[in-house]
Amino acid sequence: DAGVIQSPRHEVTEMGQEVTLRCKPISGHDYLFWYRQTMMRGLELLIYFNNNVPIDDSGMPEDRFSAKMPNASFSTLKIQPSEPRDSAVYFCASSHWTGGATDTQYFGPGTRLTVL
Amino acid sequence: GDSVTQMEGPVTLSEEAFLTINCTYTATGYPSLFWYVQYPGEGLQLLLKATKADDKGSNKGFEATYRKETTSFHLEKGSVQVSDSAVYFCALSELGSGSARQLTFGSGTQLTVLP
Repeated sequence: DAGVIQSPRHEVTEMGQEVTLRCKPISGHDYLFWYRQTMMRGLELLIYFNNNVPIDDSGMPEDRFSAKMPNASFSTLKIQPSEPRDSAVYFCASSHWTGGATDTQYFGPGTRLTVL
Repeated sequence: GDSVTQMEGPVTLSEEAFLTINCTYTATGYPSLFWYVQYPGEGLQLLLKATKADDKGSNKGFEATYRKETTSFHLEKGSVQVSDSAVYFCALSELGSGSARQLTFGSGTQLTVLP
């Protein structure tokens, strides 16, 4: 299995520009998570989906952030307009609900976003 | 709400030294506990996990025991290698609003092992 795939791996943009981050979860996984990692705040859950439906977006920082999952194999996280404080590493993770005590989340390699 | 407190880093050890990274948690129910590892430039990988009190998770020489009485899940390894240099995250999960087990992470501990 290829694992969780994210693109691009690095993105440098200027303040005010729109940024779109992409994620392909592991085939057969029914949960998809978007996280943000910064030195100041550590790892934060932004939003997660179950069967392509957004379940909890309480971690999305502002209306400038939006996420979609049009099908089981693709999700996007969009920032419009971007600001320097959005600079971070954004991770996508997926998991499969087995009904058991633990469901391992599998992380992608991340997208390092720099907003100038 | 749930929270995870990790030992402050960075931690620097010599090869073959004993490693302990402390982790304590606060949770309302009976969470599952995890250690994830992040190597430079990569995403997080599950290292080990435990689902109930007194369970011991182990993998690649690392161990952690779920201690309900002390709400702890300390990570240990008897003899570290240079290749263990990474950032280690303690995490817990409880059922969220959509029945998914959302992860709450600690702040991470940077480990550097010197040859």
